[in-house]
Amino acid sequence: GENVEQHPSTLSVQEGDSAVIKCTYSDSASNYFPWYKQELGKGPQLIIDIRSNVGEKKDQRIAVTLNKTAKHFSLHITETQPEDSAVYFCAAEGHSSASKIIFGSGTRLSIRP
Amino acid sequence: DGGITQSPKYLFRKEGQNVTLSCEQNLNHDAMYWYRQDPGQGLRLIYYSQIVNDFQKGDIAEGYSVSREKKESFPLTVTSAQKNPTAFYLCASTQTGVQETQYFGPGTRLLVL
Repeated sequence: GENVEQHPSTLSVQEGDSAVIKCTYSDSASNYFPWYKQELGKGPQLIIDIRSNVGEKKDQRIAVTLNKTAKHFSLHITETQPEDSAVYFCAAEGHSSASKIIFGSGTRLSIRP
Repeated sequence: DGGITQSPKYLFRKEGQNVTLSCEQNLNHDAMYWYRQDPGQGLRLIYYSQIVNDFQKGDIAEGYSVSREKKESFPLTVTSAQKNPTAFYLCASTQTGVQETQYFGPGTRLLVL
C-alpha cells in the first residue's frame, strides 16, 4: 500500500545551524506534499507545502525540495532557533488512502542553545 | 477567527464509560477527519466524513463512533469497547478539491481513570 517514510526520527542541532528532514513516498501519482509542525500538546500546523510542478519552495528560513524521479522530498530549516523545537511531519497526497493524505511518522527536532 | 475548535482540552474516562469529544469548524469545509496520536507516534485515521450525513471508517475505527448531522460539527464518541483509549485525539478538516490541505484543531487528551 501507499506509505511515507520519514528520517530521522529524532534530530538535535546547535542553535544557528541547519536542520534537514527527509521523506520518501511510494505513490508515483502523488502531486502534493505538505509539512506540518506540532508543538507539545498542540495540533499540527501547516508550515509549508509543495506541489509537483516545482522542485523547490522557500519561505524565510524554511525550504522544501522535491525530487519526483526519486520520489523523495526534504525540509530544510536554516539558522535554527529555540522556537523551531517541535515534531515535524511530512505528508504526501495518497490516492487510495481514506484521508487522501498519508503522514510520515514524525521527526522530533531539538535545538541546543 | 476562522478555524477548528476541539473540546474539552482534557477528558477523563472511567471504566465502561462512553465519552464524546467535540469538533467544530467555521471554515465551511466539506470534509472532516478524526485521528488518534499515541506518544511518539504518527497520526492514525479513525473516521472521516466527506459530506453531511455520511461518514466512513478509517484504519482504526473499532471502539469509536461518529455522527455528521451538521457541516460544522463532527463529534467522536469513544465507547467502552475501546480498551486502550488513552491518547491525543486530533480533528481536521479540508475543503474538497484536487489537492487538499488538512487543517487541524488543538486536540483533546483523553485519559483513563
